[in-house]
Amino acid sequence: EVQHVETGGGLVQPGGSLRLSCAVSGVSISDYWMNWVRQAPGKGPEWVANIKQDGSEKYYVDSVRGRFTISRDNAMNSVDLQMDSLRAEDTAIYYCATSLLLAVWGKGTRVTVSS
Amino acid sequence: DVVMTQSPRSLSVTLGQPASISCRSSRSLVHSDGNTYLNWFHQRPGQSPRRLIYKVSNRDSGVPDRFSGSGSGTDFTLKISRVEAEDIGVYYCSQATYWPPLTFGGGTKVEIK
Repeated sequence: EVQHVETGGGLVQPGGSLRLSCAVSGVSISDYWMNWVRQAPGKGPEWVANIKQDGSEKYYVDSVRGRFTISRDNAMNSVDLQMDSLRAEDTAIYYCATSLLLAVWGKGTRVTVSS
Repeated sequence: DVVMTQSPRSLSVTLGQPASISCRSSRSLVHSDGNTYLNWFHQRPGQSPRRLIYKVSNRDSGVPDRFSGSGSGTDFTLKISRVEAEDIGVYYCSQATYWPPLTFGGGTKVEIK
């Protein structure tokens, strides 16, 4: 069974940083694009970023470009999201999801940006 | 960006009756490789989204056959042939033909009448 476990969320002040991690089991992520998707309270999902199998290409939604950085470690079967200069509007549950077709999601990790 | 528009926003259905959700995209989702990358997700209260359907009409493993997806170009439909209690929640369509960004519809909330 494919499982994703996201960690690293928490409460942070505006302007602060967090690093999220996603540990994947049951499948080798080296075969897939990997994504981060977030969901603000009471809202629908919003794609945040993705990274190609070998890490050579990375894409971001406009609202986080320049502040967030996605990375991956295929040997550890994990994907990270470094989030800097956090804003209140970044408050959400953050999920990692496998493949461009978002085949499998984890349970998510909650990020709250508030003073 | 491709805008995905779902209707209705909410749906109240009697158990055992059918339900239908529409999803429209702001441009055709036919990719240059011939595929149409339109997916459907279901999110139960308090849970993470789960993919039900990929590439318009392909059910994911373990998804009951009462769920079916259809459509082409810009118009797509998710149908539930006979709604069961476990089907409550919010349904989202999403496209992966023109990205970045991957985009989602606004969601359709299904409840039992």
